[in-house]
Amino acid sequence: DADVTQTPRNRITKTGKRIMLECSQTKGHDRMYWYRQDPGLGLQLIYYSFDVKDINKGEISDGYSVSRQAQAKFSLSLESAIPNQTALYFCATAHNNEQFFGPGTRLTVL
Amino acid sequence: KQEVTQIPAALSVPEGENLVLNCSFTDSAIYNLQWFRQDPGKGLTSLLLIQSSQREQTSGRLNASLDKSSGRSTLYIAASQPGDSATYLCAINNQAGTALIFGKGTTLSVSS
Repeated sequence: DADVTQTPRNRITKTGKRIMLECSQTKGHDRMYWYRQDPGLGLQLIYYSFDVKDINKGEISDGYSVSRQAQAKFSLSLESAIPNQTALYFCATAHNNEQFFGPGTRLTVL
Repeated sequence: KQEVTQIPAALSVPEGENLVLNCSFTDSAIYNLQWFRQDPGKGLTSLLLIQSSQREQTSGRLNASLDKSSGRSTLYIAASQPGDSATYLCAINNQAGTALIFGKGTTLSVSS
């Protein structure tokens, strides 16, 4: 079984809809991250969390929110999706400053 | 602000060739550097992690080097195979625990 899982793997939604992307990990790592990847732009950090009580904004947090429900779960929400949020979203965990990535969620906002 | 550049953006080689992928960064005060592989539409697989105090790391046919003073890292792939075809990403960790700063990647195609 994968150590870092993301659900859903693919999602198509409409402008204005609220959507949640979920990430779970079985690695026991405290640190978790959300990134988005756009063609030609590389990966950019949205939010990160060092433990359940610690949430930090990344470089592109506008339009997103997160929830760290437990050490193993870190969810990303788009309160009102817009087309330029169409991207590949990755969750990652970190231990000893090495990061481990989930398989990604491909989100399309129409 | 740390910037990470990978050149070339794309590379095509015949099977069996040895090759080098390049990564450069603007701020030499890094914590560590990580090389990843990404297959189309898939997640990132960690290949090698080099701590700032290290000069190189090796795993199988892969060797990554780090020269902080010149702001460069290289990923050497020996005896390339078609299965090595993927995008290779270089990422810098400026401080312990913070997020990675990624380059845009080099897309490698190895033909049989």
